[in-house]
Amino acid sequence: SQQGEEDPQALSIQEGENATMNCSYKTSINNLQWYRQNSGRGLVHLILIRSNEREKHSGRLRVTLDTSKKSSSLLITASRAADTASYFCAWDSWGKLQFGAGTQVVVTP
Amino acid sequence: DAGVIQSPRHEVTEMGQEVTLRCKPISGHNSLFWYRQTMMRGLELLIYFNNNVPIDDSGMPEDRFSAKMPNASFSTLKIQPSEPRDSAVYFCASSLISDNTEAFFGQGTRLTVV
Repeated sequence: SQQGEEDPQALSIQEGENATMNCSYKTSINNLQWYRQNSGRGLVHLILIRSNEREKHSGRLRVTLDTSKKSSSLLITASRAADTASYFCAWDSWGKLQFGAGTQVVVTP
Repeated sequence: DAGVIQSPRHEVTEMGQEVTLRCKPISGHNSLFWYRQTMMRGLELLIYFNNNVPIDDSGMPEDRFSAKMPNASFSTLKIQPSEPRDSAVYFCASSLISDNTEAFFGQGTRLTVV
């Protein structure tokens, strides 16, 4: 995808387990965001971390950002079947918002 | 607010025909993005506008693609002539121009060119 990568491409876990996905980008950024996409739908914003922040929490979500390595991670704790979706990171470079390739997460009951 | 509204939701057209996709951003938002999503290439940023002005169109694949934003509440993405490789889901998103704000996405237009 445009100037960035995500891994893994796919992740299959059981309910209750944690899911971790990683994102790398190549440009300077204002912030990094994570979005979720259910099949056939538009993307929905989950969480935003500013370039001067290192970690942020929101409910069962935990995001880290390492601007020196140009990388971020998203952790979903205690996953549920309803968390099954594709997850995308997006880096905001002064208003230009570009996305990674996404991680497809399947949570089985 | 009803969110970002895209039309049509689905479009099937024959190769060589002109296709126009439409987007109504969230009222008050002043930044608008057009993306294309395919399995092979993921989510590509085609063009974005700030205050109705195109800022970066480097993602527009070819001259067959054009986008306009005549006012703050409406944008179009036109493909002329369309080709089968243009088949994809096209998303419009809007946001507020400021530091650290999220983008809101429409439901997308699924384009099939046969």
